[in-house]
Amino acid sequence: NAGVTQTPKFRILKIGQSMTLQCAQDMNHNYMYWYRQDPGMGLKLIYYSVGAGITDKGEVPNGYNVSRSTTEDFPLRLELAAPSQTSVYFCASSYSSLPRAPYEQYFGPGTRLTVT
Amino acid sequence: GIQVEQSPPDLILQEGANSTLRCNFSDSVNNLQWFHQNPWGQLINLFYIPSGTKQNGRLSATTVATERYSLLYISSSQTTDSGVYFCAVDRTGAYNLFFGTGTRLTVIP
Repeated sequence: NAGVTQTPKFRILKIGQSMTLQCAQDMNHNYMYWYRQDPGMGLKLIYYSVGAGITDKGEVPNGYNVSRSTTEDFPLRLELAAPSQTSVYFCASSYSSLPRAPYEQYFGPGTRLTVT
Repeated sequence: GIQVEQSPPDLILQEGANSTLRCNFSDSVNNLQWFHQNPWGQLINLFYIPSGTKQNGRLSATTVATERYSLLYISSSQTTDSGVYFCAVDRTGAYNLFFGTGTRLTVIP
């Protein structure tokens, strides 16, 4: 199992450009998440998904969009990049069998994004 | 959201020493996880411990959910233990993890 994979590892964007961060998992997890980590801080949730076709906002969703067409993939789209989006982005996944809350989350290696 | 406080914020240890890291949280939780973020930024799962005690080699963790705290014990520390240790919880009824601001551990030879 590769676990949770993310591409690219690093990216530099100019203000106003757009890009998509890719995330995939091969653990057959139904829940997937995007977090961002600013310097010296813990992670904050951007968006999450409880299954294919279902997504919802987290704590800091402004400036981002997501979609989930398959169980395995959960891309994060940045539109009109701004310096405030300079951060490290982590994708995660977990499994849940309702009504139980999800089990532990597993994280990808992260994408370091700089917007200048 | 739920408040997660970790202490101490910084810790410097001589190799071979033991330490205890603490995590307090402000509400009932379903899950609690401890992570180690290594100097390369990778998040490594240490424990999934919503309650009780677990051990894995030199590391162990205890969560007392009724009193809303968790402890991470590191024994016989090694330089490879350096990094930031995060506690994260998910609030009852929600699905995302809320992270503390971490404890930065430096182990010197």
